Amino acid sequence: QVQLQESGPGLVKPSQTLSLTCTVSGGSISSGSYYWSWIRQPAGKGLEWIGRIYTSGSTNYNPSLKSRVTISVDTSKNQFSLKLSSVTAADTAVYYCARASVYYDILTGYGAGLDYWGQGTLVTVSS
Amino acid sequence: DIQMTQSPSSLSASVGDRVTITCRASQGISNYLAWFQQKPGKAPKSLIYAASSLQSGVPSKFSGSGSGTDFTLTISSLQPEDFATYYCQQYNSYPPTFGGGTKVEIK
Repeated sequence: QVQLQESGPGLVKPSQTLSLTCTVSGGSISSGSYYWSWIRQPAGKGLEWIGRIYTSGSTNYNPSLKSRVTISVDTSKNQFSLKLSSVTAADTAVYYCARASVYYDILTGYGAGLDYWGQGTLVTVSS
Repeated sequence: DIQMTQSPSSLSASVGDRVTITCRASQGISNYLAWFQQKPGKAPKSLIYAASSLQSGVPSKFSGSGSGTDFTLTISSLQPEDFATYYCQQYNSYPPTFGGGTKVEIK
């Protein structure tokens, strides 16, 4: 059973860089066809997709955050990371890491659906 | 971005009821749609992908249908553990976007 666990500072000052790590257990981050993703949720609000990194290392980012986001992977530690620069109060949220598994549908082709999620970590941006 | 609109935004139902939640995409997304369940203070749980395929371990009382722009999630017989907020998500195009959620409450 795959498990994901977020870690990182719970408080970040405005204009600084938010850095989070997701540790994957129960499977190798570098094997299989998976996208390793970050999603966030402000308190009392809905979910926002931040970006993802594929097993091969290729990345996709939400255009609304692209200029500030970097997602990377450390296969030696079975971890992937999120960096979000120049944060403001609007970046205060619970941040989730998650896995998306690639599948093949005979009618529509390839897709990647989120299957496993971390428990989430609250990051507050405040001075 | 593709807008995902869920309806209703909330509903009250009794144990044993059949519940249907609707999700509409602002443009066609084929069947690239997922459903998630979230309980207060917890991470979302993945229920369905590809519009109608159950994630491993998800009970068969959950079912999904639809293609193109209109999708539904049905819970065949609501149980106490099913009271939660449900979200749909399209992953046909970037960025993947979520619906605003449907809160299922106890009547």
